[in-house]
Amino acid sequence: QLQLQESGPGLVKPSETLSLTCSVSDGSISSTTYYWGWIRQPPGKGLEWIGTVIYSGATFYNSSLKSRVTISLDTSTNHFSLELKSVTAADTAVYYCASGPSQQLDGQSYYYFMDVWGKGTTVTVSS
Amino acid sequence: EIVLTQSPATLSLSPGERATLSCRASQSISDYLAWYQHKPGQAPRLLIYDASHRATGIPARFSGSGSGTDFTLTISSLEPEDFAVYYCHQRSNWPLITFGQGTRLEIK
Repeated sequence: QLQLQESGPGLVKPSETLSLTCSVSDGSISSTTYYWGWIRQPPGKGLEWIGTVIYSGATFYNSSLKSRVTISLDTSTNHFSLELKSVTAADTAVYYCASGPSQQLDGQSYYYFMDVWGKGTTVTVSS
Repeated sequence: EIVLTQSPATLSLSPGERATLSCRASQSISDYLAWYQHKPGQAPRLLIYDASHRATGIPARFSGSGSGTDFTLTISSLEPEDFAVYYCHQRSNWPLITFGQGTRLEIK
């Protein structure tokens, strides 16, 4: 059973870069059978998709964050990462990493709902 | 962007009662809708996928229905552990996925 665990600083200063890592256990980050994503939940608000990366390293981002976000895979350590630049107080949130199944069939790729999530890590942006 | 609107924002019910939660999409999403249960301090839990299919290990009291733009999550008889926030989520135009704003199911 795939397991995910977020890690990173709990406090980031305004204008700096938020960096988080999601460690993957019992599954390979380079497998074609999974895709990987980051989602956040600001205090008192709902879930917001940040971005997704697939086995090839191709990335997809929420348009509202695209100019500040980078998601990447690290196959040597079997984890994927999130970087969010120039943070403000509005970036204070619980950050979750998640995974969903993917399938390659007859030259097409299919991506399904995220069914494995990390427990989340709280990041506060404050000086 | 496909916007998902959930109603009501808060639902107050007692254990044993039936809960009906709604999710409306801003455009047709076929059956590419999921429901998640989220409790404080925990990871969101996938309940229903593709509008009506229960995920592995989910009790039969949870059911989903709908297609196109209107969807419903029904909990037939509420257990104490069911009080949580519920989110709908679409993958119709993956990777540009979106979530609803959530419905808080609270004990009356």
